[in-house]
Amino acid sequence: QKEVEQNSGPLSVPEGAIASLNCTYSDRGSQSFFWYRQYSGKSPELIMSIYSNGDKEDGRFTAQLNKASQYVSLLIRDSQPSDSATYLCAVKIDYKLSFGAGTTVTVRA
Amino acid sequence: KAGVTQTPRYLIKTRGQQVTLSCSPISGHRSVSWYQQTPGQGLQFLFEYFSETQRNKGNFPGRFSGRQFSNSRSEMNVSTLELGDSALYLCASSVGSGENEKLFFGSGTQLSVL
Repeated sequence: QKEVEQNSGPLSVPEGAIASLNCTYSDRGSQSFFWYRQYSGKSPELIMSIYSNGDKEDGRFTAQLNKASQYVSLLIRDSQPSDSATYLCAVKIDYKLSFGAGTTVTVRA
Repeated sequence: KAGVTQTPRYLIKTRGQQVTLSCSPISGHRSVSWYQQTPGQGLQFLFEYFSETQRNKGNFPGRFSGRQFSNSRSEMNVSTLELGDSALYLCASSVGSGENEKLFFGSGTQLSVL
């Protein structure tokens, strides 16, 4: 079983719609949870971090964490063409950051 | 404020050689971690250092090693290179902990093993 699994893409959404990304993790001891965005040919950049159960909002992005279900999600509201990228879920335990394979999102204008 | 700096940007080596990659973290960041990114395996954790101590290591063979210096700069070494070591090697530095942790990646070193 992979440590971090993301819903397979690619995900195509029209401009202005909501993009929903999901991630599950295997280790119940996982401590911190992150979403990164990676444009083609670029390095990953941090979008959101979440530590406690519930929702965390930052602009058009909302991260949701459910530790009982070992589930993390990211919602992108009012999707823009500039949101087209690969989104990586990452989980941290004992100073080790494990990444999912990523979900590629394409926002259609 | 300068970002995470990795050198060199590109590297071409042949099988059996060794290579050393360098990473300078953001000023004030004491944690440095290394990752390997390939199309097939994605981003995989190599190791993490804090104050010159390795705190965790990923599932890579002993040919992969690293170290951190007192100024927080870090190096990664790969000995006896294999074709499968061709990848983008990313270094990241971080500050804070828990939900406040912020990790920033460098531009990476693209290693090609021929």
